[in-house]
Amino acid sequence: AQSVTQLGSHVSVSEGALVLLRCNYSSSVPPYLFWYVQYPNQGLQLLLKYTTGATLVKGINGFEAEFKKSETSFHLTKPSAHMSDAAEYFCAVSVRTSNDYKLSFGAGTTVTVRA
Amino acid sequence: EPEVTQTPSHQVTQMGQEVILRCVPISNHLYFYWYRQILGQKVEFLVSFYNNEISEKSEIFDDQFSVERPDGSNFTLKIRSTKLEDSAMYFCASSPGQGKHSPLHFGNGTRLTVT
Repeated sequence: AQSVTQLGSHVSVSEGALVLLRCNYSSSVPPYLFWYVQYPNQGLQLLLKYTTGATLVKGINGFEAEFKKSETSFHLTKPSAHMSDAAEYFCAVSVRTSNDYKLSFGAGTTVTVRA
Repeated sequence: EPEVTQTPSHQVTQMGQEVILRCVPISNHLYFYWYRQILGQKVEFLVSFYNNEISEKSEIFDDQFSVERPDGSNFTLKIRSTKLEDSAMYFCASSPGQGKHSPLHFGNGTRLTVT
């Protein structure tokens, strides 16, 4: 079964520091992978996705993620954290069902940014 | 940019009561979904809906749950007789294509509290 695991439920970074959120996937087929962000009191917003092709994927708000098949990873990074990056981040994989696809989410990582 | 809108943002109900959560998906989208997130837990898939019928449902989506697209714009989730464990944030999502390739656009959620 396809799934993702996010390492670290909480990450605290200083403003201007590197943000690194870890996600590992388990899949017997080439995965379609996503990162979503949830700001306080808001819904889930797509940051970026990997389907096929280039393994380094750039998303919104300066985030990027690299698909590494050898490590079964899809870690999310941002070179310089901003206060507005404080949110919860979810890694997800698209899972084939009988008639459709569904997203299987990781447990989420809460990011706090220190001034 | 078009958005998925959900109403109400917060619903409080007594155990055993029926609730209807409402969603207006993005107008040209064809695939519709409900997910939920119990406090402190993962975002979980409930149901997908396409061409006016359920295309997939999870084991959570039992006989107490139903979905409907009554008028071509709204997409509703009904819980017939709410239980305490139904308390969660419920997210509606829509997609222009099938979920593998097309990222889901999520609403801001309805927080359901069952007392």
